Amino acid sequence: DQQVKQNSPSLSVQEGRISILNCDYTNSMFDYFLWYKKYPAEGPTFLISISSIKDKNEDGRFTVFLNKSAKHLSLHIVPSQPGDSAVYFCAARGSNYKLTFGKGTLLTVNP
Amino acid sequence: NAGVMQNPRHLVRRRGQEARLRCSPMKGHSHVYWYRQLPEEGLKFMVYLQKENIIDESGMPKERFSAEFPKEGPSILRIQQVVRGDSAAYFCASSPVATGVELFFGSGTQLSVL
Repeated sequence: DQQVKQNSPSLSVQEGRISILNCDYTNSMFDYFLWYKKYPAEGPTFLISISSIKDKNEDGRFTVFLNKSAKHLSLHIVPSQPGDSAVYFCAARGSNYKLTFGKGTLLTVNP
Repeated sequence: NAGVMQNPRHLVRRRGQEARLRCSPMKGHSHVYWYRQLPEEGLKFMVYLQKENIIDESGMPKERFSAEFPKEGPSILRIQQVVRGDSAAYFCASSPVATGVELFFGSGTQLSVL
């Protein structure tokens, strides 16, 4: 049973445009949500997080939105750059500080 | 300040052999997490350790898998009598505090079982 779902395996956008990556979850006990970015042959790198008591968190070009009633969060990247091309994982924190990850979305930003 | 170091990067084992994966956390980090990524899957939690203590091993298979984080030295994930289904990327992450919010991941060990 997948508690964190990223339904789009891949996304392709033009440089300078907005990238929107989506994530759905089922467990209402998750209290923190995170996005990690992963390049090939490297480990995931923390990008941005949001507490379950907030609905928006912004850090430079990256903004995460949380809709608790819909159990949905999204990551917006504006403007997208070719260096943003990577796999993006959505993760949620549950009991004992364990993170549950989605399967990831491969973002390709075309020059 | 070096990041999380994992070695080896690649490990090839035949069925029935043992695999030992090592992880040195970032300096000052006393919380270590192991995650496994199967092909086309997300990362799956395996175990959470602090120095000399296993805090949560609910993601570890009950048999053949063990983990430790001794007072001195790296954390070790040990897989005995490996099978083909153990082939995966194993990632270690560390954190200075127990919140588990921002984890620092190593580059992973790719285990291939022949």
